[in-house]
Amino acid sequence: AQSVTQLGSHVSVSEGALVLLRCNYSSSVPPYLFWYVQYPNQGLQLLLKYTSAATLVKGINGFEAEFKKSETSFHLTKPSAHMSDAAEYFCAVGSGGSYIPTFGRGTSLIVHP
Amino acid sequence: EAEVAQSPRYKITEKSQAVAFWCDPISGHATLYWYRQILGQGPELLVQFQDESVVDDSQLPKDRFSAERLKGVDSTLKIQPAELGDSAMYLCASSGPTSASESSYNEQFFGPGTRLTVL
Repeated sequence: AQSVTQLGSHVSVSEGALVLLRCNYSSSVPPYLFWYVQYPNQGLQLLLKYTSAATLVKGINGFEAEFKKSETSFHLTKPSAHMSDAAEYFCAVGSGGSYIPTFGRGTSLIVHP
Repeated sequence: EAEVAQSPRYKITEKSQAVAFWCDPISGHATLYWYRQILGQGPELLVQFQDESVVDDSQLPKDRFSAERLKGVDSTLKIQPAELGDSAMYLCASSGPTSASESSYNEQFFGPGTRLTVL
């Protein structure tokens, strides 16, 4: 079985500040890990993914995430938030023979001017 | 750029009525997924197709939900009768040709979704 816990349903930052969205996973086998972004009334867009290559993964729009096996974490960061980053962010885990991600409940990122 | 198409974008219906959603995946994508996303939650898989065959429908409420992909291209998801608790966003996604290697991963591409409201 696999699962994802996203800590904090809402994260609020000022424009230009560091963005940190937390994700912890549970998986009985080496996982695939993903971060998706969803803008209002739109589908999900893949930001980045970890598939057992480099533990620091760089994605689109300046986001990156680090896979830490010892902490079972895959936190998403961005050095400087933009207003356009305001959206819902979902962490997801897939593993073994299942490439279908199991999604977390999502974190809403709010960016203040 | 190729995209997953879904229609309608919004649907309002009364409970006990029938509704249907349509999805056209990216050309050449063999795998198609339907997800349900309840407000404030992440998407949950309802059904997965490989070409025209159902691979996984274990989470599909089969007493009222049905899905088909007759020619292995576009797909329809139907709810009959709709219930108040079915109000959600219904997302379709597709992914590319499968690889013989079980260690491979094919990225899912999502459509814009259909927002269903049941009154």
